[in-house]
Amino acid sequence: GQNIDQPTEMTATEGAIVQINCTYQTSGFNGLFWYQQHAGEAPTFLSYNVLDGLEEKGRFSSFLSRSKGYSYLLLKELQMKDSASYLCAALKEDSSYKLIFGSGTRLLVRP
Amino acid sequence: NAGVTQTPKFRILKIGQSMTLQCTQDMNHNYMYWYRQDPGMGLKLIYYSVGAGITDKGEVPNGYNVSRSTTEDFPLRLELAAPSQTSVYFCASSLRTPNEKLFFGSGTQLSVL
Repeated sequence: GQNIDQPTEMTATEGAIVQINCTYQTSGFNGLFWYQQHAGEAPTFLSYNVLDGLEEKGRFSSFLSRSKGYSYLLLKELQMKDSASYLCAALKEDSSYKLIFGSGTRLLVRP
Repeated sequence: NAGVTQTPKFRILKIGQSMTLQCTQDMNHNYMYWYRQDPGMGLKLIYYSVGAGITDKGEVPNGYNVSRSTTEDFPLRLELAAPSQTSVYFCASSLRTPNEKLFFGSGTQLSVL
């Protein structure tokens, strides 16, 4: 199957830490992306994991466990501008190389 | 550096009309994609192309057509517009392979009434 599941909405407080989870059931999987999308704008790339483990990039980190079909995006020191949708996407590598997106998690950061 | 440019930004169509969404990129990227995004949903792949002259269907190709005559351009054609095609359309590109980050255009808001 190609199901990608992530929570619909999350709320967090400015300055806090939030973890957005993503589970996938993609056969022929080869990599997991996270994109950020502010309302009314195009998605922008945040991270890409192909190997198990944690990748840190400033305030944002992304984790992947291929055996568990699980990833998370960790946002530290939350800022108001982090209010956005976060899209998890899995790369299905067969003859097609399709990038399959989840429905996204809307994060609201409150003062 | 313009990146990925989409036109138009907004369009209203009547049922049965046709139109072409234009997409061009100036980064010499091989891969190009068309996605649609319905309200509150993720992106669904319509068509993609791995290079000039080569296109293939994505998850939701029905009602759409594409062509890739040059590396730069990847237009999306709607032949007989239907209300179900009301959506936001994004064009995207990546350099060599799909496991590189996508660069997105700014999107086209299409309403079919």
